[in-house]
Amino acid sequence: KNQVEQSPQSLIILEGKNCTLQCNYTVSPFSNLRWYKQDTGRGPVSLTIMTFSENTKSNGRYTATLDADTKQSSLHITASQLSDSASYICVVSAGTPLVFGKGTRLSVIA
Amino acid sequence: SAVISQKPSRDICQRGTSLTIQCQVDSQVTMMFWYRQQPGQSLTLIATANQGSEATYESGFVIDKFPISRPNLTFSTLTVSNMSPEDSSIYLCSVEGGHEQYFGPGTRLTVT
Repeated sequence: KNQVEQSPQSLIILEGKNCTLQCNYTVSPFSNLRWYKQDTGRGPVSLTIMTFSENTKSNGRYTATLDADTKQSSLHITASQLSDSASYICVVSAGTPLVFGKGTRLSVIA
Repeated sequence: SAVISQKPSRDICQRGTSLTIQCQVDSQVTMMFWYRQQPGQSLTLIATANQGSEATYESGFVIDKFPISRPNLTFSTLTVSNMSPEDSSIYLCSVEGGHEQYFGPGTRLTVT
């Protein structure tokens, strides 16, 4: 069964600190892996998309990594800001439909 | 990119009634997708709507419960029929653009 598991479920960090979110998947065949940010009351917004051959991709303070052999991905957030408080969703594409994780709820506090 | 708007943004409805959610995209798209996001759960695809044909529903979702219209390439509606409290959820409209998936802001539905 195609599944995407994310950890931790929730996370609280101090402003300015770094954090890493994890994503493990059992999706086949694999097309690409995406990370989305979903602010409360809004739809998900794409942060990164990685194909099989890409190991890392950055978008500002967000850096995603992908290990296709172990079927693991991580999202690293550097120098966190209050505006980073949101849910971060890992999504794996094996065609249609996309397979979504439940997300990690990140709270950045001052 | 695609800009998607949804109406209403939220609603509180009584059980047994129906609610129609509208989705408007700022560009023409072939396929539009409707998702449900229940509290603490991942997004689940309800159906894919193509202009000029019947929507394709995922396992566990049926047309009688979630009728969809797709009158043109920029607009779609999803109706949640004969609602029960279990239908309380966020409903999201989505489109594809290149390799990107764009989502609307969602409609937060509460059924009492």
